[in-house]
Amino acid sequence: AQTVTQSQPEMSVQEAETVTLSCTYDTSESNYYLFWYKQPPSRQMILVIRQEAYKQQNATENRFSVNFQKAAKSFSLKISDSQLGDTAMYFCAFGQGSNYKLTFGKGTLLTVNP
Amino acid sequence: SQTIHQWPATLVQPVGSPLSLECTVEGTSNPNLYWYRQAAGRGLQLLFYSVGIGQISSEVPQNLSASRPQDRQFILSSKKLLLSDSGFYLCAWSMDNYEQYFGPGTRLTVT
Repeated sequence: AQTVTQSQPEMSVQEAETVTLSCTYDTSESNYYLFWYKQPPSRQMILVIRQEAYKQQNATENRFSVNFQKAAKSFSLKISDSQLGDTAMYFCAFGQGSNYKLTFGKGTLLTVNP
Repeated sequence: SQTIHQWPATLVQPVGSPLSLECTVEGTSNPNLYWYRQAAGRGLQLLFYSVGIGQISSEVPQNLSASRPQDRQFILSSKKLLLSDSGFYLCAWSMDNYEQYFGPGTRLTVT
């Protein structure tokens, strides 16, 4: 079974600064998908960014970007120019195989301080 | 555009009572549907998923069951709730890819 590890239970960053959240995963396959989801205090899960394993180029969505290191099985999320609204739990997720199921990490609670 | 609804938003039920949580998706046909539970505000545990009407797969044996009576309707049920069933329940949908979109969730407290 696939596993997803987020080694940072909590992190904090000052407003306008940059922060990187870590995620590692375990798989023996070469084709898979990776995601970062954000869960603010409202608890609504929001898709932030996705990365296909066959693409070498790192995905970017506005202030959010990833550092995908396939050989190291690492998928970190960088948030630039952090905003107070970025305060949330962030989940890394891995998708592979049939039925399009996702395996989630335990999450990192990010607090952006003013 | 597609939207996903869940209700109720909040529910307080006594131990031993039945449960029915509903999830509906609008704006798409034949989606894959998923039920997750999130305990203590961390980690999502996949409970059930469905790739079509009447097709339910269970991930974790437990006190809950799921049904999909219509294409875009997914129901989570229990005949007798346990204290351990308390948590935040999330429904999600996807098309034939891994990109899942979540509903607003139901907070269940079993007393």
